[in-house]
Amino acid sequence: EVQLVESGGGLVKPAGSLRLSCAASGFTFSTYSMNWVRQAPGKGLEWVSSISATGSYIYYADSLKGRFTTSRDNAKKSLSLQMNSLRAEDTAVYYCARSSPLRPLDAFDIWGQGTVVTVSS
Amino acid sequence: DIQMTQSPSSLSASVGDRVTITCRATQGISNYLAWYQQKPGKVPKLLIYAAATLQSGVPSRFSGSGSGADFTLTINSLQPEDVATYYCQKYNSAPLTFGGGTKVEIK
Repeated sequence: EVQLVESGGGLVKPAGSLRLSCAASGFTFSTYSMNWVRQAPGKGLEWVSSISATGSYIYYADSLKGRFTTSRDNAKKSLSLQMNSLRAEDTAVYYCARSSPLRPLDAFDIWGQGTVVTVSS
Repeated sequence: DIQMTQSPSSLSASVGDRVTITCRATQGISNYLAWYQQKPGKVPKLLIYAAATLQSGVPSRFSGSGSGADFTLTINSLQPEDVATYYCQKYNSAPLTFGGGTKVEIK
């Protein structure tokens, strides 16, 4: 079964850091681009970042202004999101999602269940 | 950056009705447009990609059309299980912007 499982969410104070992980199974992870999407409480979907299959290309939403870093370990079938200088407005459910192997940027066909990040003092 | 605008933001329709949701880009994006369905409390699900290609397993009452800057998601014969928020997304280039969403309810 194709599956993505996020972990690492939790409660963090403003200006703090958190590292999210996404474990992939059931498909050849190293051939797929991967993505992070977030959803603030009661709000819509917001694209965060995308990384190509080899990790050569990484894209970020402008609003993150260098605070977030996406990486992947194809040997471990794992995607990561390092989040620094966290703000209250970063509070959201964070999803990892898979794209097709055809293009570095593509539609998201498989989603994880999400991990909740709460930034509060 | 290209912005994606969906309309309406919400709608209420009867079971069996035909429902149309539109998504407009501020610039042309060819057919690099996806539609997602998010049921209450659930994870988003890909319905349509490449503007008009139905994802495997999605009921045929869902269809997409459009190219360039104007796109449409149509639900033929609305069913109770279609209650959800629907999002469009561009993916021709970064940023992969989502539309604001359209909440579909049953009248």
